[in-house]
Amino acid sequence: GQNIDQPTEMTATEGAIVQINCTYQTSGFNGLFWYQQHAGEAPTFLSYNVLDGLEEKGRFSSFLSRSKGYSYLLLKELQMKDSASYLCAVVDSNYQLIWGAGTKLIIKP
Amino acid sequence: SAVISQKPSRDICQRGTSLTIQCQVDSQVTMMFWYRQQPGQSLTLIATANQGSEATYESGFVIDKFPISRPNLTFSTLTVSNMSPEDSSIYLCSVATSGVSYNEQFFGPGTRLTVL
Repeated sequence: GQNIDQPTEMTATEGAIVQINCTYQTSGFNGLFWYQQHAGEAPTFLSYNVLDGLEEKGRFSSFLSRSKGYSYLLLKELQMKDSASYLCAVVDSNYQLIWGAGTKLIIKP
Repeated sequence: SAVISQKPSRDICQRGTSLTIQCQVDSQVTMMFWYRQQPGQSLTLIATANQGSEATYESGFVIDKFPISRPNLTFSTLTVSNMSPEDSSIYLCSVATSGVSYNEQFFGPGTRLTVL
């Protein structure tokens, strides 16, 4: 079967750095997305990785290792508004999106 | 990008009734999707709404329970039929402006459904 694993919940301090991991086992791989979802709101796009390595976009960076079936989202200089759920989603060989359950990130002052 | 609106934003319904959710996009898009998201759970794709043809349903979802209309490239509806408390969930529509499902998707604000 296809599986996406993310931690259920993480807590971090304002101003700090946090890394949210995502491991996947899917039938093929055609890219990995990270989405941010604030409580009661729709998911919004953060990043897309299809090649190995680190993609940096401001305070957010996303890393991919296809050989390890692994990605992480790195958030720097955390702000209170970063409190949200972070969803990892993988595009499989049939170009279907497989969604993880999301990681709820709690930022404390 | 795309701006998506959904109606209603939330509803409380009685068991056995049906609810139709509307999704409106501010531009023409090829691919529209309907998802369900239970609290604390991942997004589950219900179906892909195709303009001019029947929707394509994922395993576990059938047209009789979740009929979908797609009359044009900016609008779609999802009906949740003969509702039971297990249908209580958030229903989201999304679009892929690039024309392929595996590119970035833009989501509507969701419809929070409670079935009593």
